Amino acid sequence: SQKIEQNSEALNIQEGKTATLTCNYTNYSPAYLQWYRQDPGRGPVFLLLIRENEKEKRKERLKVTFDTTLKQSLFHITASQPADSATYLCALDNDDYKLSFGAGTTVTVRA
Amino acid sequence: NAGVMQNPRHLVRRRGQEARLRCSPMKGHSHVYWYRQLPEEGLKFMVYLQKENIIDESGMPKERFSAEFPKEGPSILRIQQVVRGDSAAYFCASSPKPREYQETQYFGPGTRLLVL
Repeated sequence: SQKIEQNSEALNIQEGKTATLTCNYTNYSPAYLQWYRQDPGRGPVFLLLIRENEKEKRKERLKVTFDTTLKQSLFHITASQPADSATYLCALDNDDYKLSFGAGTTVTVRA
Repeated sequence: NAGVMQNPRHLVRRRGQEARLRCSPMKGHSHVYWYRQLPEEGLKFMVYLQKENIIDESGMPKERFSAEFPKEGPSILRIQQVVRGDSAAYFCASSPKPREYQETQYFGPGTRLLVL
C-alpha cells in the first residue's frame, strides 16, 4: 500500500541551528514533491516544489533534497528562528491535482 | 487580493444533521479542490471541481457526501446525516489553471467540523 512517512517525533531545536525533516514514501512515483507549512488553526502554505529530476532546491533559508532512488526528501531550515515554529508537511505530486500529504512534523524553535 | 475563504471556521453538528461547508476561491481561480484532515493524519484528497463541473470525486465517500461549484457563488461541500467519524478539518484549495499546468494550490483556513 502507499505510504508517506514524516519524522514521527516533534523536533525541538535551539534558535540558530538547522532543522532537518525527513519525508519517506513507498509505492509512489511522484513527478514532484512539495513542502508546505501549517500553523495551528490555519491551512497549509506552499513553500517549495522540487521535480523528480532535481537533486536540490533552495529558497532563502530553506533547502530541499529529493532522492528518487531512496524515495526520500529532506527539508532543511537553516539559521532557524522562533518564527519558523510550525508543522511542516510534505506532499507527493503525481503531476495531477491529487496531492498526497504526510501527517507532518512539528518543529519548535527555542529562543 | 483576498486568499481562499472558507466558512464557517468551526461547525458543530449532532449526529444525523447536515453540514454545509463553503469555499470561495481566490479571485480569478476557477479550479477548486477539497481535502479532509483527520487528527494525526495527512490531508486526503476528496474532490476536484471546476465551475459547474465535478472533474474527479474519487476521494469522496460514496454516500452522504456531495460537492458543487455553481456558476455563481462559492463551492459547497455537503455532508448529510453526519456521524462522529466525519469530525475533521476540511480544507479547500484553489488554483487558476488545471493542476497539470504545474500551478500551486492555495489553501483556505479550513472548517473544523465536530460531530457530537
